[in-house]
Amino acid sequence: EIVMTQSPATLSVSPGERATLSCRASQSISSNLAWYQQKPGQAPRLLIYGASTRATGIPARFSGSGSGTEFTLAISSLQSEDFAVYSCQQYNNWPWTFGQGTKVEIK
Amino acid sequence: EVQLVESGGGLVQPGGSLRLSCAASGFTFSKCRMSWVRQAPEKGLEWVANINEDGSEKHYVDSVKGRFTISRDNAKNSLYLQMDSLRDEDTAVYYCASLRGSIFDYWGQGTRVTVSS
Repeated sequence: EIVMTQSPATLSVSPGERATLSCRASQSISSNLAWYQQKPGQAPRLLIYGASTRATGIPARFSGSGSGTEFTLAISSLQSEDFAVYSCQQYNNWPWTFGQGTKVEIK
Repeated sequence: EVQLVESGGGLVQPGGSLRLSCAASGFTFSKCRMSWVRQAPEKGLEWVANINEDGSEKHYVDSVKGRFTISRDNAKNSLYLQMDSLRDEDTAVYYCASLRGSIFDYWGQGTRVTVSS
């Protein structure tokens, strides 16, 4: 099973600043990585797939990069609605696995 | 608008059973592979099971094989998860999600399952 490790666990950022989240796979997953956003009481939302392709309706301030084992989700100029938990998921190997999440909180 | 609404969660004793349902709308359910994903308290998301469009192919994470059964009724636009022999470690919020390839593209808000005596 591929283990996905996200860092940091919590990221404190001021509104308007940039946030950079990391996700590392225990073995190469090519570009088979997705990012999701979770807010309390809401359905998770797909943000990015294929490591760098934004899902429909996702603002351009969200960008994904990386391949192999190292991946990054960047949020430029954080808006109030962006404070949430972000999880990465690999779909290169069965079983599909998620990271433990990074909480982006208001500084 | 795509909507996935889960129901059927609750409190159950270890060894007990529960059946979760997911009502789908806003898309052609019968043409979509579906999944269940869960999240235990203070833990990350965990994929649980997949089912293909006509229900003929099913896949499960090892920890639920032989205990959980995923199924669907395309006439009712509904997805199900029959959970038997429940354990403490099955306590989680359970989400249904639609699949586009290997990506969970739409999710429900989840239903909470608590296994405790």
